[in-house]
Amino acid sequence: KAGVTQTPRYLIKTRGQQVTLSCSPISGHRSVSWYQQTPGQGLQFLFEYFSETQRNKGNFPGRFSGRQFSNSRSEMNVSTLELGDSALYLCASSHGGEPNIQYFGAGTRLSVL
Amino acid sequence: SQQGEEDPQALSIQEGENATMNCSYKTSINNLQWYRQNSGRGLVHLILIRSNEREKHSGRLRVTLDTSKKSSSLLITASRAADTASYFCAGLNTGNQFYFGTGTSLTVIP
Repeated sequence: KAGVTQTPRYLIKTRGQQVTLSCSPISGHRSVSWYQQTPGQGLQFLFEYFSETQRNKGNFPGRFSGRQFSNSRSEMNVSTLELGDSALYLCASSHGGEPNIQYFGAGTRLSVL
Repeated sequence: SQQGEEDPQALSIQEGENATMNCSYKTSINNLQWYRQNSGRGLVHLILIRSNEREKHSGRLRVTLDTSKKSSSLLITASRAADTASYFCAGLNTGNQFYFGTGTSLTVIP
């Protein structure tokens, strides 16, 4: 079984731009979660999508949005980028029910200049 | 923030020694999971303990859970250089949402 695939692996953007990150979950997984990881804040939960619906949301501004397609693939969009958005963005997929073990992709490293 | 905290933030030990890291969390949980992250990569699931369990073993890993203190510990016995990584605890709350701890950076010196 293929693992979780995130594209692209690296991105460099400038302030004010927008960016879209993509995540392909493990086949059969219906839940996709997104996390932001920074040295200062650790791993912060952004949101979770399950069967194309946002099921959970963390405490991030509306500039961060996402969606999930019928094949469970998910995209995350960040509009009006700020310097503080520089981070490793991790996607994780799971079956969606308890115990909800998360399977992570390798991440997208976003640098905002 | 409902994020958990881990202690210590960094730990350096000799190969063959045991490593213990602790995690505290803030919300009620259904289960608590430990993950490992090699530098700049995704996290890998290590072990899970349910809220009605007190101790779990898996190979060289031993995890304990004290729900009254909202804390957990991970013990890695007979550590190896390949165990060098960051370790995170993650509590799954009743809303099916994860809150990760801040992580412990473990260095095992050969």
